[in-house]
Amino acid sequence: DAKTTQPPSMDCAEGRAANLPCNHSTISGNEYVYWYRQIHSQGPQYIIHGLKNNETNEMASLIITEDRKSSTLILPHATLRDTAVYYCIVRSTGTASKLTFGTGTRLQVTL
Amino acid sequence: NAGVTQTPKFRVLKTGQSMTLLCAQDMNHEYMYWYRQDPGMGLRLIHYSVGEGTTAKGEVPDGYNVSRLKKQNFLLGLESAAPSQTSVYFCASSYRPTGGYNEQFFGPGTRLTVL
Repeated sequence: DAKTTQPPSMDCAEGRAANLPCNHSTISGNEYVYWYRQIHSQGPQYIIHGLKNNETNEMASLIITEDRKSSTLILPHATLRDTAVYYCIVRSTGTASKLTFGTGTRLQVTL
Repeated sequence: NAGVTQTPKFRVLKTGQSMTLLCAQDMNHEYMYWYRQDPGMGLRLIHYSVGEGTTAKGEVPDGYNVSRLKKQNFLLGLESAAPSQTSVYFCASSYRPTGGYNEQFFGPGTRLTVL
């Protein structure tokens, strides 16, 4: 699976949009981009995933560049409860494929 | 539904002792996983199972054994604990991945300290 690069930390003011970047320049055609987050010391929580089209759900939006070498997770109106470590993961299709977690981006949402 | 539960939540062992961590899920998921997370690190896959009676090695399997005798349970065993196994252990489960979809549901974790 392709490796990902994320900034180690970011800050965001409450109520503002949080834009978390991820670089995956070696991604191949059958690999999906996944985002998970881990709040404090809890188990990770799935947020969203996509292949090449932009995706949106009740939690966030995922914007993938046309060449698929990078993506951005957008939390439209960040709250204090969104403070967490956010993991960008690239995973290929297939039942044997697994998630490989990096060190993620620590997002701090402040008043 | 309880989702994914882990037992125990905390444990302290002495070097050389053995123990078993229990993971249970009530979502009828085929796949189950065991991860470990060391301070400041991401999660690393230890072992996983694609169905009852089957197990497979992940990224860091040495020093651990697993069993999946029932679909809803996945056990992680440490036969002879070492200080290097001090970590937080997370269990997860998912349906069989289809296409690109593989949402894993995680338990609350077990904090293990080996002295």
